[in-house]
Amino acid sequence: DTGVSQDPRHKITKRGQNVTFRCDPISEHNRLYWYRQTLGQGPEFLTYFQNEAQLEKSRLLSDRFSAERPKGSFSTLEIQRTEQGDSAMYLCASSLETSGVGTDTQYFGPGTRLTVL
Amino acid sequence: GQQVMQIPQYQHVQEGEDFTTYCNSSTTLSNIQWYKQRPGGHPVFLIQLVKSGEVKKQKRLTFQFGEAKKNSSLHITATQTTDVGTYFCAGGGNYQLIWGAGTKLIIKP
Repeated sequence: DTGVSQDPRHKITKRGQNVTFRCDPISEHNRLYWYRQTLGQGPEFLTYFQNEAQLEKSRLLSDRFSAERPKGSFSTLEIQRTEQGDSAMYLCASSLETSGVGTDTQYFGPGTRLTVL
Repeated sequence: GQQVMQIPQYQHVQEGEDFTTYCNSSTTLSNIQWYKQRPGGHPVFLIQLVKSGEVKKQKRLTFQFGEAKKNSSLHITATQTTDVGTYFCAGGGNYQLIWGAGTKLIIKP
């Protein structure tokens, strides 16, 4: 499978614990995005990487959230001191930077569903 | 901040009826993309519109981008059970997509 993969697919944790999710993008894609999606809503942008550089981060993202993409390939998203409000689907997407007008087509992984008890 | 409003939230149709969802942006968009998310699945890219007034078709799906590049629509003719899911529009910013809340297509039994 050469698509975007995410691990784990499901995570149940207790409030106050730290969790880390991994995303492996499509291999030739240089852009990687993290989103959060709750039931009945569209994906909410969290952060974006071009290669290993984190170029944008949502102002809504608290300091408990951190993301890395150390070698410009896979990425991790860590949530510290989880809260019940963090329960959501965390989606990763990747894209290949293209020239011209418009935003790249984003290819999504299956997501990691986080439940905070 | 920039917002993309999408209506309706749900649309119930009989199989064979048409379906339409509309998106409106508070600001001019560089482009608009449409995605489909099946129940339990992840968003899958359908199409991107870039030019003012652009119309694109994919079989029974027709996508339009408004002249002012602030609104867009997706119309499905003669819906089938395979069309079930939530359809999202997403407006292009610099690198960030601003997503609508989606319209859920439900086929009446």
